[in-house]
Parts: sequence; structure tokens; C-alpha cells
Amino acid sequence: GAGVSQSPSNKVTEKGKDVELRCDPISGHTALYWYRQSLGQGLEFLIYFQGNSAPDKSGLPSDRFSAERTGGSVSTLTIQRTQQEDSAVYLCASSMGLAGLGEQFFGPGTRLTVL
Amino acid sequence: AQKVTQAQTEISVVEKEDVTLDCVYETRDTTYYLFWYKQPPSGELVFLIRRNSFDEQNEISGRYSWNFQKSTSSFNFTITASQVVDSAVYFCALSEANSGNTPLVFGKGTRLSVIA
Repeated sequence: GAGVSQSPSNKVTEKGKDVELRCDPISGHTALYWYRQSLGQGLEFLIYFQGNSAPDKSGLPSDRFSAERTGGSVSTLTIQRTQQEDSAVYLCASSMGLAGLGEQFFGPGTRLTVL
Repeated sequence: AQKVTQAQTEISVVEKEDVTLDCVYETRDTTYYLFWYKQPPSGELVFLIRRNSFDEQNEISGRYSWNFQKSTSSFNFTITASQVVDSAVYFCALSEANSGNTPLVFGKGTRLSVIA
């Protein structure tokens, strides 16, 4: 079956612009996660959605970052007024949520470059 | 707070050698889950194993084996008879209870290079 997909695969933007990154989780997965992978910082958790519960936003680095998940499926991560330090690979993962075994399936990521 | 430490930043071995990747974790939870993921040059993270804190039995899957020791808070990963295709960055990760469906705390990864 189809895995987690993310778009775009690459995004180059100018400092100060807003960007939207999209994640399509595996069908039926109720849990969705956003992580960021940058040089020197490894993989960092950003935000987590579980079913209809309020998302866990504890990993978002600033109020310029936000995410939503519509209809319990597709998620969009928005970064406003991008800064050069936002350059990273943004990874999305999904899992079967509370009913599953905890394995998170990762998408290929979106490489964001802020000039 | 939870923390995962992978002290080895980079390892280089010659094909057919055995190699062990170290992982040490910190958590206050009594129930937690440990994971290993592989990130090949293509970039996509591939799940390798999930282990819960109550199961200290070592596991073997082909050339891969995992040694979980609660007494030392370690979850080490050994590749036997390494191959060039094993070249990748390997991440150890930890999540708290709730069936492991909570965000993962990752180590910084170990880059393994297997030379032919």
C-alpha cells in the first residue's frame, strides 16, 4: 500500500516568506507527527496529532510554526516569516495510534532551504 | 526528561566485519519503548525494531541483533558480517508509555560506512 507522502520534496524560499509543507499519512493511521532534521541538531519533534485530541505542540520552536490536520488525514505545517535557521529536512510520520504497536512510518521529507 | 545518547558519531568498517552501534538512554518512566531506525543515503527513515521496557530478551533478525540491558540503560545494535548496503545513519529512539504512540526522542545518530 501507499506509504507516507510529503510535498514538495524540495523547497527553496527567501528569508521572510511563508511556506507550507504537506503530509499525506498512511490511510487509517490516526497519529501523525512532524519532525525536523537539521545538521548538528539531529531529529527533533515538532508537533503530534492523535485522532481528534488537541495536538501536542510542545516541540514547536517558535510561534512562527503552526500545523493543522484536516479531517483527521492530511496535515500542513506552516512556517511564517522564514529564517535561515529554519533550513532543514522536515519529516512527517504516521502510526496506527493507540491501537497500534507504535511503529512510526516516515515519509521522504521536505528539504527546506531559506536563502 | 528523556534523552538518548549515541556516542559514536561515525564508524567505518571493512565489509564482513561485525560492528556494534551503542545507544544509552535516560527516562524516568518505568514503561517505555525503544526503537532503532535506519536512514540510508536516500533519506527515508526505515523502522528496524521496537522493544518495550518489560522485554529484556535479546533479539536476532538475520544479520541484525539487539542487546537490551536495563541495568545499564543500553540498547545496542550489532550487525554481523556487515555489507556495503548497511552503510547508513542509524538512529536509536525512545518513547514513553501509551503503547509507544508518542513522539520519539532520537539520538543524534551514528553514521556507518561499510567499505568493500
